[in-house]
Order: sequence, then C-alpha cells, then structure tokens
Amino acid sequence: SQTIHQWPATLVQPVGSPLSLECTVEGTSNPNLYWYRQAAGRGLQLLFYSIGIGQISSEVPQNLSASRPQDRQFILSSKKLLLSDSGFYLCAWNSRGNTDTQYFGPGTRLTVL
Amino acid sequence: EDQVTQSPEALRLQEGESSSLNCSYTVSGLRGLFWYRQDPGKGPEFLFTLYSAGEEKEKERLKATLTKKESFLHITAPKPEDSATYLCAVQAGRNFNKFYFGSGTKLNVKP
Repeated sequence: SQTIHQWPATLVQPVGSPLSLECTVEGTSNPNLYWYRQAAGRGLQLLFYSIGIGQISSEVPQNLSASRPQDRQFILSSKKLLLSDSGFYLCAWNSRGNTDTQYFGPGTRLTVL
Repeated sequence: EDQVTQSPEALRLQEGESSSLNCSYTVSGLRGLFWYRQDPGKGPEFLFTLYSAGEEKEKERLKATLTKKESFLHITAPKPEDSATYLCAVQAGRNFNKFYFGSGTKLNVKP
C-alpha cells in the first residue's frame, strides 16, 4: 500500500530564515505530487504541483519554491520566510494514470515569528 | 471562475440527529468531486469520489450524493467520533492537476 510522509511535523522559524519541508511517497511510482497551504479555518490553497522529476508548476506567486529531485520526493523551500508564510503545509499525491483522487500526508505546522 | 462553497461553516448535532452538509460548485467541465474528513492537526482523509450527477456512495453512516451544481454529505445517526471538519473539492476537466477546495464544515456531535 502507498504511504506519504512529511517532515518535520512542526517547525518554528524566525522571520527571514530559510525553509525546507520534505515530502516522500512510498509504494507507488511516477506519482503526481502537490503542495498545499491551509490557513486556520480556510480551505486548501494549491501552491505547486509536479508531474515528474524537475517538472514544477507554480500556482501562487510568492517567496516559496518547490523542487522534485527524485521521483517520489517533493521539497518546499524558501530563502527568507515572512510572517504570512505561517500555516499548515500539506503534501498530496495521486496516480499518474488515474489523476483524480488525491491522498494527503500528515502535514507540517509552520509558525513564523 | 471556478469556485467551491460549503455550508454551513459549523454544525452542532446531538448524537443520533441526522443532517446534511452542502457543497456547491461552479466549474467548467467537472471531472470529479471529492469529500475528505480532517481531524484537528492532521491531513485530510479521503472519503468519496463522485464523477457524475445522480451518483451516490456510502460508507458506514455517511452517504454522498451529486447533482449538476452541488453535492450533499448525509450523516445518519452520527456519533461523537464523527466530529471533524469535512472538506469538499472539485477537479476541473480542462486542467486536471488543479483541485479547488471549499473551506469546510466543522461538525461537532455531542453525546
């Protein structure tokens, strides 16, 4: 069966510091991968998605970036965090051959102070 | 503009009191509509996928239905463990990598 991991689970960072969040998927090959941010009481905002290694689509212009160095690894980064980057970050995957249902990881709670 | 609206924002039920959650959507060429359950501090857990108007799916006390403009999540005789936020999402046909999420309905079932 497929499993999706995210780390760290929680992170507290000062404004202006760098960020690296990691997501890995097990038990599947060639997945589509997604990064979402969820603000308190709000819906999920799609940040990036990737259909393959090195292929990244950005949905929201901001100081975040994403990379996919390996087939089942997706990384969310920032060079300098802003207060507004605080939130709950979720990674998701779905099958390349059946691009409907997404499955989510446990999430990373990021607080920028 | 593609949009998903969920109502009510919050719902308090007594144990055993059945009710329905609504998800209305405007999207060009619906490819799929999805329901998720999210517990506090956790990632959304997949419940159902619906593809076409008239389709219904059931799981335990939950039943999801779909029309051309909205979906309902019916909860029959809920228990306290059904308390969670329920999220609805739609996938448009023209760019099936984009999923539009509603802001959710927070359900609280009291014993």
